[in-house]
Amino acid sequence: DTEVTQTPKHLVMGMTNKKSLKCEQHMGHRAMYWYKQKAKKPPELMFVYSYEKLSINESVPSRFSPECPNSSLLNLHLHALQPEDSALYLCASSQSRDRAGNTIYFGEGSWLTVV
Amino acid sequence: RKEVEQDPGPFNVPEGATVAFNCTYSNSASQSFFWYRQDCRKEPKLLMSVYSSGNEDGRFTAQLNRASQYISLLIRDSKLSDSATYLCVVNTNAGKSTFGDGTTLTVKP
Repeated sequence: DTEVTQTPKHLVMGMTNKKSLKCEQHMGHRAMYWYKQKAKKPPELMFVYSYEKLSINESVPSRFSPECPNSSLLNLHLHALQPEDSALYLCASSQSRDRAGNTIYFGEGSWLTVV
Repeated sequence: RKEVEQDPGPFNVPEGATVAFNCTYSNSASQSFFWYRQDCRKEPKLLMSVYSSGNEDGRFTAQLNRASQYISLLIRDSKLSDSATYLCVVNTNAGKSTFGDGTTLTVKP
């Protein structure tokens, strides 16, 4: 079983809604990630937090807003999304961002459908 | 050219077959290498790290060739449960992880 937990597992939202995806890990990892994955494609990096600070934003539209309240929690706030934003959103963590040998551990993902 | 390229697949093999996947990377500064497995509608899970000396875990063997900048995954005695997409992941020394597009394996009875 994964040690990165994500909620909700499934989310359907309208284009005017505001919702949030949540992620939690208790492995003491100091780097946390959001990835987006479309069908038959690899995970695509969105954001990286290192020691609770945003260190990478891969030019993600502002309708996605990440937040890291503490070292164990990572949120992704969603507002005014488009149908093409429908995808699997994966949270992940690793010991730290800067070590090349770090293994990334993924949560089970949140399936998002924008209608 | 993509930073990480994998055999496009799909690979369809009978149970008991041996199958090998290759992955090439373009960044010579890449430091660490992994194979992940992803089942349909599930998250990627670490299968194995890949070390310069090569490493084996049961029926799975991973190799790294730094000179030619490729890694490989060999699966012996394929099982039905090995059917999945296999993702090659390459990390730079800045900690950036780059995923290959994945290779789909179907093992048939």
